[in-house]
Amino acid sequence: EAGVAQSPRYKIIEKRQSVAFWCNPISGHATLYWYQQILGQGPKLLIQFQNNGVVDDSQLPKDRFSAERLKGVDSTLKIQPAKLEDSAVYLCASSPAAFSGEQYFGPGTRLTVT
Amino acid sequence: SQQGEEDPQALSIQEGENATMNCSYKTSINNLQWYRQNSGRGLVHLILIRSNEREKHSGRLRVTLDTSKKSSSLLITASRAADTASYFCATDTGNTPLVFGKGTRLSVIA
Repeated sequence: EAGVAQSPRYKIIEKRQSVAFWCNPISGHATLYWYQQILGQGPKLLIQFQNNGVVDDSQLPKDRFSAERLKGVDSTLKIQPAKLEDSAVYLCASSPAAFSGEQYFGPGTRLTVT
Repeated sequence: SQQGEEDPQALSIQEGENATMNCSYKTSINNLQWYRQNSGRGLVHLILIRSNEREKHSGRLRVTLDTSKKSSSLLITASRAADTASYFCATDTGNTPLVFGKGTRLSVIA
């Protein structure tokens, strides 16, 4: 079974530029999550999708971050414009069901904003 | 906001020794999970323990849960260099997303 795929693995941009991350979850997983992990911290949920609907985006900075999951499969997370404090690893995860059970994580995208 | 708080923040042991990490949380939970993260990688699920369970085993891993103290512990027996990683606890209340702690960094020295 293929795991969660993410791209790119690394990205370096200047502040005020825009960036997009892509995630392909495990086939058949209805729930998809985007997390932000700052160095030395645990992952923080940014947004949770159930199929192509948003379940929770309470911690997503909506003035600069946006995410979509068209057709309930792949997802993209965008930051526009980026700030220095957005430097972090962005993790995508998926699970068969929402709110309980194991989550399967991708390798993450390490973003550096200079 | 962080729900779980792991203790210690960092732990260094010799290969073959046991490693114990603790997690404390603030509100009542439905499930508690432990994840491992190797440097530069995504998280890997280790074990899930439900609020009505007190102890669970998986290979060299033993997890306990004390809901009266709002705490859990992860024991890794006979540690190996490959166990070097960060370990996170994560909790949910049944209809809320997982909330992760800050993690314990374990170093196993060969």
